[in-house]
Amino acid sequence: AQSVTQPDIHITVSEGASLELRCNYSYGATPYLFWYVQSPGQGLQLLLKYFSGDTLVQGIKGFEAEFKRSQSSFNLRKPSVHWSDAAEYFCAVAPISGGYNKLIFGAGTRLAVHP
Amino acid sequence: GAVVSQHPSWVICKSGTSVKIECRSLDFQATTMFWYRQFPKQSLMLMATSNEGSKATYEQGVEKDKFLINHASLTLSTLTVTSAHPEDSSFYICSARDAGSANTGELFFGEGSRLTVL
Repeated sequence: AQSVTQPDIHITVSEGASLELRCNYSYGATPYLFWYVQSPGQGLQLLLKYFSGDTLVQGIKGFEAEFKRSQSSFNLRKPSVHWSDAAEYFCAVAPISGGYNKLIFGAGTRLAVHP
Repeated sequence: GAVVSQHPSWVICKSGTSVKIECRSLDFQATTMFWYRQFPKQSLMLMATSNEGSKATYEQGVEKDKFLINHASLTLSTLTVTSAHPEDSSFYICSARDAGSANTGELFFGEGSRLTVL
């Protein structure tokens, strides 16, 4: 069955520190891959996506993610975290066939940032 | 970027009543919209796919008669929670894709609607 695993439910980092959020997926073939951010009481905002090509993807707000086929991973990184980055982060996958209508989300990682 | 708006953003209702949540694409047309449900501190679960001019496609385990979906125009989909009960309390989020974009176009999410059933 298709699944997305975000091993870390909650992460706390200091402002200015680097960040890596993990995401692993289980799928028959390489799907489309996404990272979304959700602020409290808000909808989701797309940070970045991977469809094909360069395995290092740049997104908004200084985030990047690297697709590693051999590890079925798509980890999100940021070199220096800002207090405003505190939010819930969701990794998601979607099948390539038929577009990416059906997003499957991970459980999310809640990021707290200490001043 | 494109904007998807939900209304109301927050609603409280009595058990047994019905509640309608609207999802609008403000600056683009969406032939397909999606409805998700999010429980506290949990991920989003796809409930149904709303298709303009046709019946919605529901995910396994989602009651069609409980969660009525109507997609009457290219910019509006509605989710009606019928005979709501406290266990229906949740955060409901919709998303939409620009019908004019390629198949790999971005999905845009609404800000969500929090339903509390007393």
